[in-house]
Amino acid sequence: GQQLNQSPQSMFIQEGEDVSMNCTSSSIFNTWLWYKQDPGEGPVLLIALYKAGELTSNGRLTAQFGITRKDSFLNISASIPSDVGIYFCAGSDSNYQLIWGAGTKLIIKP
Amino acid sequence: NAGVTQTPKFQVLKTGQSMTLQCAQDMNHEYMSWYRQDPGMGLRLIHYSVGAGITDQGEVPNGYNVSRSTTEDFPLRLLSAAPSQTSVYFCASSYSRSRSGSYNEQFFGPGTRLTVL
Repeated sequence: GQQLNQSPQSMFIQEGEDVSMNCTSSSIFNTWLWYKQDPGEGPVLLIALYKAGELTSNGRLTAQFGITRKDSFLNISASIPSDVGIYFCAGSDSNYQLIWGAGTKLIIKP
Repeated sequence: NAGVTQTPKFQVLKTGQSMTLQCAQDMNHEYMSWYRQDPGMGLRLIHYSVGAGITDQGEVPNGYNVSRSTTEDFPLRLLSAAPSQTSVYFCASSYSRSRSGSYNEQFFGPGTRLTVL
């Protein structure tokens, strides 16, 4: 079946640092979605990407749909304490089924 | 709009007991789905529905049943709970599964945290 590799698994960062995470797929996707999950809550959609090469921002967050349609990255600039949580990528294939990454856990160093 | 609601928020069961996790959405979404989330495993699809009266299996359907009698509701039934079903369960919905673009964006409920002893 299709696989979606998300890295890194976890990140320890200082407040104010920039963060970068990515997802790669073994097959082509038509849509990339980035979600954030706060502790004890359900995932919430951050950014949606629909075209290869598309670069989209949402405040301090920027995500790009890779040209090959097999990868996407999410950057967070100048991290703040409320950025902690788990970030998930999800890709939609030609059958419109969403394939999920395993998540990147963001932790702010005290 | 309340969005996607789930009840209960927490549940403890004994092995062999059955129960139903409730999910409802008020956005007139065609597509609804159930996921389970285990540490380090991300979200795994249990069952999904593309409309009232239509359900299908996802990646990990064993031990679970679903039905979709209305557009709004999509309950998940555990037939005979096992410790391996201890997990956090999320219900999600989207406008459609058969169209691209924003129709595929899924909205999640707050989750049900289930422990099976």
